[in-house]
Amino acid sequence: DADVTQTPRNRITKTGKRIMLECSQTKGHDRMYWYRQDPGLGLQLIYYSFDVKDINKGEISDGYSVSRQAQAKFSLSLESAIPNQTALYFCATSDSKRYTDTQYFGPGTRLTVL
Amino acid sequence: AQSVTQLGSHVSVSEGALVLLRCNYSSSVPPYLFWYVQDPNQGLQLLLKYTSAATLVKGINGFEAEFKKSETSFHLTKPSAHMSDAAEYFCAVGSGTASKLTFGTGTRLQVTL
Repeated sequence: DADVTQTPRNRITKTGKRIMLECSQTKGHDRMYWYRQDPGLGLQLIYYSFDVKDINKGEISDGYSVSRQAQAKFSLSLESAIPNQTALYFCATSDSKRYTDTQYFGPGTRLTVL
Repeated sequence: AQSVTQLGSHVSVSEGALVLLRCNYSSSVPPYLFWYVQDPNQGLQLLLKYTSAATLVKGINGFEAEFKKSETSFHLTKPSAHMSDAAEYFCAVGSGTASKLTFGTGTRLQVTL
């Protein structure tokens, strides 16, 4: 079974709808991240969480919110989706005890906002 | 502050030819450097990483990269390309504090017969 899972894998929605993307991990890592990928732009950090009570904005947090429900779960919400939020979204985890910055990624969620 | 520049958004090589994907970094502290490969169905997979040990790092699938501090580079190479190597590759830099990574914009590798 995959260590980092994301649901749904694909989602098509309409402008103005609220959307939640979910991420779960079985790696036992304390740190979790949400990125979006757009063609030609690489990965941009949306939010990151160093533990359940420590949540931080990344480079492009406007229009997004997150919830860390437990160490293993980190959800990303789009309160009112807009077409330029169409992208591939990745969740990732890392272990603060290792000090190597290695991040482990989920398979991604492809979101289309019409 | 840290940043990564990947030279060439698209690289095409013939099967059996040398693969060279370029990555230059900027970091105010000794960097930790990574190469990831994006599989369409599996997200990003770690190919290799440099964490201040040996400067020549060997990864999975025959890839390796050399950390050159004087050139601020961490180029990815493979002696002989295989069709299965076609994918998008991302270079990333971290500061060793187990916090954030900064990614490059990616290089798409095409392998032709």
